[in-house]
Amino acid sequence: KNQVEQSPQSLIILEGKNCTLQCNYTVSPFSNLRWYKQDTGRGPVSLTIMTFSENTKSNGRYTATLDADTKQSSLHITASQLSDSASYICVVTSWQGGKLIFGQGTELSVKP
Amino acid sequence: GAGVSQSPSNKVTEKGKDVELRCDPISGHTALYWYRQSLGQGLEFLIYFQGNSAPDKSGLPSDRFSAERTGGSVSTLTIQRTQQEDSAVYLCASRGRSYEQYFGPGTRLTVT
Repeated sequence: KNQVEQSPQSLIILEGKNCTLQCNYTVSPFSNLRWYKQDTGRGPVSLTIMTFSENTKSNGRYTATLDADTKQSSLHITASQLSDSASYICVVTSWQGGKLIFGQGTELSVKP
Repeated sequence: GAGVSQSPSNKVTEKGKDVELRCDPISGHTALYWYRQSLGQGLEFLIYFQGNSAPDKSGLPSDRFSAERTGGSVSTLTIQRTQQEDSAVYLCASRGRSYEQYFGPGTRLTVT
């Protein structure tokens, strides 16, 4: 069964600290993996997208990694800011039908 | 440029009533997706339109749900005889030539 699992479910960190969010998937055949940020009451916004040949991709203070062998990805946030408080969703696309399979998300709260 | 828009932003309806949710995709995007996000849950795929092809309806939870896309642009998601478990945020996304899906802000549906 195609699944995407994220951990932790929620996380609280202090402003300025770093954090890492995890994503494990069992989707096959794999096409690409994306990380989205979803602010409360808004639609998800893409942070990074990686195909199987890409190991790392950065977008400002966000760095995503992908290990296609172990089917794991991480999203590292550096020097967190209050505006980073949001839900971070890992999404994997299968070549079959092009459908996206969503993780449950990690709820990040950055405190001053 | 204009992104994906959805209307209404909020909808409260009584159990048993029908509702229509509208999505205006980014101009020129050939693919359109509907998702549902229930409280505390991940996004759930509902239906996918690609050009003039028959839509992928595999995610629709029951025959009370239907969607159409007129003229390859605007899409309407219809829920008949709404139930309380239909309460959720309904998100629409569109995609052009790239992998990227762009999400609208969602419609929050509350069935009382």
